[in-house]
Amino acid sequence: NAGVTQTPKFRVLKTGQSMTLLCAQDMNHEYMYWYRQDPGMGLRLIHYSVGEGTTAKGEVPDGYNVSRLKKQNFLLGLESAAPSQTSVYFCASWGTGTSGNTDTQYFGPGTRLTVL
Amino acid sequence: GNSVTQMEGPVTLSEEAFLTINCTYTATGYPSLFWYVQYPGEGLQLLLKATKADDKGSNKGFEATYRKETTSFHLEKGSVQVSDSAVYFCALSPIAGAGSYQLTFGKGTKLSVIP
Repeated sequence: NAGVTQTPKFRVLKTGQSMTLLCAQDMNHEYMYWYRQDPGMGLRLIHYSVGEGTTAKGEVPDGYNVSRLKKQNFLLGLESAAPSQTSVYFCASWGTGTSGNTDTQYFGPGTRLTVL
Repeated sequence: GNSVTQMEGPVTLSEEAFLTINCTYTATGYPSLFWYVQYPGEGLQLLLKATKADDKGSNKGFEATYRKETTSFHLEKGSVQVSDSAVYFCALSPIAGAGSYQLTFGKGTKLSVIP
């Protein structure tokens, strides 16, 4: 049981490049989330999904797109990266799933992205 | 809207010292309250929670009491260890008992414990 995994762990981009971050969960959770973590700002929600094929905007969605084609995967895309998107990105999932524990969101280990 | 305010860090303590990290919240209705911990290089994990007024959450020697009258959920530990060095986040979920499907986080407090 891997929980929530994220790919890649680290990435360096040049301004204007694009990339996709992949999040996968094996707990059969309905909800999935993408957050960014910046110094002194805590975690801010970028986008989330309440089920396969559905996505919604969070607090800071500009410059990002997401897709949830399969229940277990949630992709975060940056079409044209900017230095302001330098951050640590966390994926999380929540739901009744295989454990039935709805007390917490389960977080991945994070992706550290630097945009030069 | 909902918001969480926690004391700014970093906080540096000697081993076996007493820890308090203050957290206050603003929310409509009756939220659930949480403390998450993030160890270096890892994602967040739930440390403790409380779902109604006067509830005390506890785990690994940490405690926090849900105080509705002061809208607070301060984290305490009587004797910290070097292994407690981490970033601590206070968070709320707007509907008590509904689980953590929607969380609002504070900005985090970095704790460093020195031998």
